[in-house]
Amino acid sequence: DVKVTQSSRYLVKRTGEKVFLECVQDMDHENMFWYRQDPGLGLRLIYFSYDVKMKEKGDIPEGYSVSREKKERFSLILESASTNQTSMYLCASSRTAEAFFGQGTRLTVV
Amino acid sequence: AQSVTQLDSHVSVSEGTPVLLRCNYSSSYSPSLFWYVQHPNKGLQLLLKYTSAATLVKGINGFEAEFKKSETSFHLTKPSAHMSDAAEYFCVVSLYNQGGKLIFGQGTELSVKP
Repeated sequence: DVKVTQSSRYLVKRTGEKVFLECVQDMDHENMFWYRQDPGLGLRLIYFSYDVKMKEKGDIPEGYSVSREKKERFSLILESASTNQTSMYLCASSRTAEAFFGQGTRLTVV
Repeated sequence: AQSVTQLDSHVSVSEGTPVLLRCNYSSSYSPSLFWYVQHPNKGLQLLLKYTSAATLVKGINGFEAEFKKSETSFHLTKPSAHMSDAAEYFCVVSLYNQGGKLIFGQGTELSVKP
């Protein structure tokens, strides 16, 4: 089975902290994605990567950065966490069209 | 620009009755289309996918969807709802020319009454 693993299910961080969300996939997929999910807004793309060291901005990249040093790992970084970044974060990977999702990280910024 | 519109934010049906969740898309290219389901506090699970083969696509748990190019629609149906179908459903288009970027609809919450 394809597995996309996010390092934490729940996180609580303080305003201003630097936050790292980690995602690892085990199927040698080229493409990886970070989304945030908010009630009434669906899933919105933050960043995606189609190769190691490559990254593209999604629809809402402000306040976030990403890192892809290895093919299997895609990290989302909140440079200085703010309360409006409280959300569910979902990582996904794909080779062609079908994407596989992790279980999500529910981040609360207080 | 590519987009996906789910026409209903919430659908309520009785157990044993048919389910219809509506989705329209806009794409400059021949799209790949998906339906994903998300149960409470769970990740997203693929229900079915259309990738330019048969226009009627069968998925898991008795769901199916029909790709209609003339109507730019990809509606999800199931003949008989089960209580376990209560969840949120997302219609998604994949942009193969943009590294497989996925565009999500806003989601439809399906409630199933006993």
